[in-house]
Amino acid sequence: DAKTTQPTSMDCAEGRAANLPCNHSTISGNEYVYWYRQIHSQGPQYIIHGLKNNETNEMASLIITEDRKSSTLILPHATLRDTAVYYCIVRPVYSGAGSYQLTFGKGTKLSVIP
Amino acid sequence: ETGVTQTPRHLVMGMTNKKSLKCEQHLGHNAMYWYKQSAKKPLELMFVYNFKEQTENNSVPSRFSPECPNSSHLFLHLHTLQPEDSALYLCASSQDLGFSYNEQFFGPGTRLTVL
Repeated sequence: DAKTTQPTSMDCAEGRAANLPCNHSTISGNEYVYWYRQIHSQGPQYIIHGLKNNETNEMASLIITEDRKSSTLILPHATLRDTAVYYCIVRPVYSGAGSYQLTFGKGTKLSVIP
Repeated sequence: ETGVTQTPRHLVMGMTNKKSLKCEQHLGHNAMYWYKQSAKKPLELMFVYNFKEQTENNSVPSRFSPECPNSSHLFLHLHTLQPEDSALYLCASSQDLGFSYNEQFFGPGTRLTVL
């Protein structure tokens, strides 16, 4: 039972920034926001995660609102290879038995258009 | 290329066959996972191993038998499967289990079809 809501699909022009929103209004103070993506017929790929500060790595940036109830994943220059389903999930900071499962919702299908 | 490899990538087997799926991680991680992904259920965690010891078995039928000879290798032995076991089987690894910020890195999966 995913605790996040995302738009079903989005389009983005190649070379432009892709901004993928996620609502997690019931997130608790001891939960991270994680983003994964899954390209067709491949395994899920970790992108980025954060607790309350904005984060950036070589793949993307993660912007988390001050109240932590929503976040945005930013792919700064989308390419055709970024076409995938993007999943936003929340995970507890302190893991233990029963918490290892990654619970994906339906995600956002991002289509990057030439 | 995530550092997690799986073989074979595709497998077709009959209900009476015995086959094995192999996973290898080149990341120096200590924890490894088997997941099942199908159209009916997006991602189901099957087994978790940490330092070669099984730490989680999510009520998986005994026709699926995992084996973890060392921290880098994980197998899933299959026997007398049912057609509903057809799915994408994914292997993942993470540095450890103790902290949830240890993101899981997935292999490409094995697409299994049971006839």
